[in-house]
Amino acid sequence: GAVVSQHPSRVICKSGTSVKIECRSLDFQATTMFWYRQFPKKSLMLMATSNEGSKATYEQGVEKDKFLINHASLTLSTLTVTSAHPEDSSFYICSARDTDRGDTEAFFGQGTRLTVV
Amino acid sequence: GQNIDQPTEMTATEGAIVQINCTYQTSGFNGLFWYQQHAGEAPTFLSYNVLDGLEEKGRFSSFLSRSKGYSYLLLKELQMKDSASYLCAVMDSNYQLIWGAGTKLIIKP
Repeated sequence: GAVVSQHPSRVICKSGTSVKIECRSLDFQATTMFWYRQFPKKSLMLMATSNEGSKATYEQGVEKDKFLINHASLTLSTLTVTSAHPEDSSFYICSARDTDRGDTEAFFGQGTRLTVV
Repeated sequence: GQNIDQPTEMTATEGAIVQINCTYQTSGFNGLFWYQQHAGEAPTFLSYNVLDGLEEKGRFSSFLSRSKGYSYLLLKELQMKDSASYLCAVMDSNYQLIWGAGTKLIIKP
């Protein structure tokens, strides 16, 4: 199946700094990618839908100024957590679908464990 | 509103069979997915059902009844490595995935 690569897998940062997470589709072009946040023992929460060449669509309650999403190319979307605080510590996961092939299956990146200290 | 329900936790014995149920109420339906997620890892795809009936794939099978808004994931010949969370997700009319909270499956020897 298609491969989605997410980097870094783990990051520890100081409170007040910014962290960038990359999500790449390695063998297909993804016009749309999805960013999720997962709290311990909870399901995935969709944060935003990242659209290539246009602004991301954020879910209700997600601060767009805090979670900056850029989808500059058909194979790369980035999530930047700005001015991170300890409550931003979480597991962030991206996914993408190869819609050109008509795929409905969503392929996931490996996830990023963010710890803000 | 949109809602996916599945049990929070289940326990089964190695070598046995377990069925994890999922009921849903969503705006439209474009398929139901089952994912497996081990602790600290991203979900991995198990199955996709869009038509009624049973889809069998090795030790895992998934069933769908659209009229009842119901699906189940059946795991046979359970192995210790099957201990994980199993997530049910429905693709709605906007092709967005609506996720259940997941079922933590504990396998005992």
